[in-house]
Amino acid sequence: DAGVIQSPRHEVTEMGQEVTLRCKPISGHNSLFWYRQTMMRGLELLIYFNNNVPIDDSGMPEDRFSAKMPNASFSTLKIQPSEPRDSAVYFCASSDMRRQGSSYEQYFGPGTRLTVT
Amino acid sequence: GENVEQHPSTLSVQEGDSAVIKCTYSDSASNYFPWYKQELGKRPQLIIDIRSNVGEKKDQRIAVTLNKTAKHFSLHITETQPEDSAVYFCAASRKLNAGGTSYGKLTFGQGTILTVHP
Repeated sequence: DAGVIQSPRHEVTEMGQEVTLRCKPISGHNSLFWYRQTMMRGLELLIYFNNNVPIDDSGMPEDRFSAKMPNASFSTLKIQPSEPRDSAVYFCASSDMRRQGSSYEQYFGPGTRLTVT
Repeated sequence: GENVEQHPSTLSVQEGDSAVIKCTYSDSASNYFPWYKQELGKRPQLIIDIRSNVGEKKDQRIAVTLNKTAKHFSLHITETQPEDSAVYFCAASRKLNAGGTSYGKLTFGQGTILTVHP
């Protein structure tokens, strides 16, 4: 398995532009998590899905942020409009929660480094 | 909700020494406690985990201990090596009883930057 796939790996954009980050979870995993990592705030959980349904989006900082999971193999995180303070590394992670006793390990993607100028 | 506190924020040791990182959690229902290692520029990766029915778990040079009464758990690295240098994150998760639904949400600590000097 290729692991969790994220694209793009790097994104540089100007303030006010729309940014879309993409994630493909590990095949068969049914929970998906979006995190933001900065030096100041550490690793923050933004939103997570289970069986493609958003469970908790309380970590989404503002209405400018939105996330979707149209199917089991794809999710997007969109920022519109983007601001310089959104600059961070955004990680997607997935885990297999289908079975009782299954490992809770979250497998992280390589991340997307976003720079908003 | 769950709150996880991690200390210290930075830790510097000499090669061969031991390193200990400590975490406390607030939700007494949490019963899964993983540790992740993140090397510079890389993704976090699981290195060891422990469930609440176990007090200690070892894997070669690393070990984790759990005190449910005090609600704290620790990571121990013995005979540290320069390649152990990284950021370490603890986390906690609440799992419902058998038959319940669990989504696998982890609450992470703030991270510890470990530097091992040759």
